Amino acid sequence: EVQLVESGGGLVQPGRSLRLSCAASGFTFDDYGMHWVRQPPGKGLEWVSGISWNSGSIGYADSVKGRFTISRDNAKNSLYLQMNSLRAEDTAFYYCAKDKSAAGTFPMDYWGQGTLVTVSS
Amino acid sequence: SYELTQPPSESVSPGQTASITCSGDKLGDKYACWYQQKPGQSPVLVIYEDSKRPSGIPERFSGSNSGNTATLTISGTQAMDEADYYCQAWDSSTGVFGGGTKLTVL
Repeated sequence: EVQLVESGGGLVQPGRSLRLSCAASGFTFDDYGMHWVRQPPGKGLEWVSGISWNSGSIGYADSVKGRFTISRDNAKNSLYLQMNSLRAEDTAFYYCAKDKSAAGTFPMDYWGQGTLVTVSS
Repeated sequence: SYELTQPPSESVSPGQTASITCSGDKLGDKYACWYQQKPGQSPVLVIYEDSKRPSGIPERFSGSNSGNTATLTISGTQAMDEADYYCQAWDSSTGVFGGGTKLTVL
């Protein structure tokens, strides 16, 4: 059974940093691309970032480019999102999602339960 | 940047057919997929590559994509299909979601 478990969310002040983690199990992690998708409470989904199986291809939404960094550790079956210079508009549930392919530009077929990031003073 | 547009809401009677549209410039030249999200739950992929159903998704869910519009169709809609639905596509290796459509079954 595929499982994706996010952690690292919480309350953080504007301008500060936070690192999210996603622990994957139930599939061969280094065979697939991975993504972070966020959803402000009560609002729609926004793709944040994606990474291919070998970290050779990485993409970001314009809204986070230059502030967020996605990475993965295939030896630890883990995905990460380093978030710097956080803003109030970054407040959202952050979901880790598995890509259907290795490339990281295909549909997301499994999702975690999400972790809430709240940016507020 | 690329945009996908969905109607904010649709309603359907039980047993009838629901259609949810997603519009974007030359969307038919890309693959579209659809996610279902129920309150308090994570999204679930219901259609990918325009019209393919993942295993476990009922046959009443179908999709099409042509021109500037992708369409999710739910035949014989059931109460359990009441949810938010999001279309999604890739543009220059960037993921794009539509704004979502709240489907009410009444």
